[in-house]
Amino acid sequence: DTVLTQSPALAVSPGERVSISCRASEGVNSYMHWYQQKPGQQPKLLIYKASNLASGVPARFSGSGSGTDFTLTIDPVEADDTATYFCQQSWNDPDTFGAGTKLELK
Amino acid sequence: QVQLQQSGAELVKPGTSVKLSCKASGYTFTSNHMNWIKQTTGQGLEWIGIINPGSGGTSYNVKFKGKATLTVDKSSSTAFMQLSSLTPEDSAVYYCARSRGNKQLYGNWFAYWGQGTLVTVSS
Repeated sequence: DTVLTQSPALAVSPGERVSISCRASEGVNSYMHWYQQKPGQQPKLLIYKASNLASGVPARFSGSGSGTDFTLTIDPVEADDTATYFCQQSWNDPDTFGAGTKLELK
Repeated sequence: QVQLQQSGAELVKPGTSVKLSCKASGYTFTSNHMNWIKQTTGQGLEWIGIINPGSGGTSYNVKFKGKATLTVDKSSSTAFMQLSSLTPEDSAVYYCARSRGNKQLYGNWFAYWGQGTLVTVSS
């Protein structure tokens, strides 16, 4: 299976820019998607196919990358962005998810 | 608006089976595929499989073949997942999530999720 590696945690101050990385163990073309999950809630789609903003998601969120290295960027970060962020690939079978990056605000 | 309403929490005994439901509304049920996803603290998120409600065709993560069975009832716009031979390792939150359609044709991302069903396997 394709392993997706994410940093476990990040801490940033409101108003700053943060980049969350996801590295795939093999190429996934552009089929990388990003989700935000807050405690007790289901995941919410932010970005699909590497760089496409999902409906209703603020333009502060953006995605980039292709092949094996992908980045989710939040600029500027707001207090409400405290959450865990997951990447998911759907190019190789089965779909797999990263372990998540917990974003904390200072 | 699109909604996926999942059934309530389950407390079940090891060795038994459980059937979870996911009732869809706000769109044509047969126009999109439905996925099931497992979430645990230890293993994170795992994709279980996908079903085409129109045809009933399914595709499973090899890890969950024999464990999960996906079905639908088109008349009630409801997707089901049966989990069999339950062990404590099956304790998790299970989500249904809608995707666009054929995985190979469209890709597979999840814009709509149910609220999740907590399954606890314990004697």
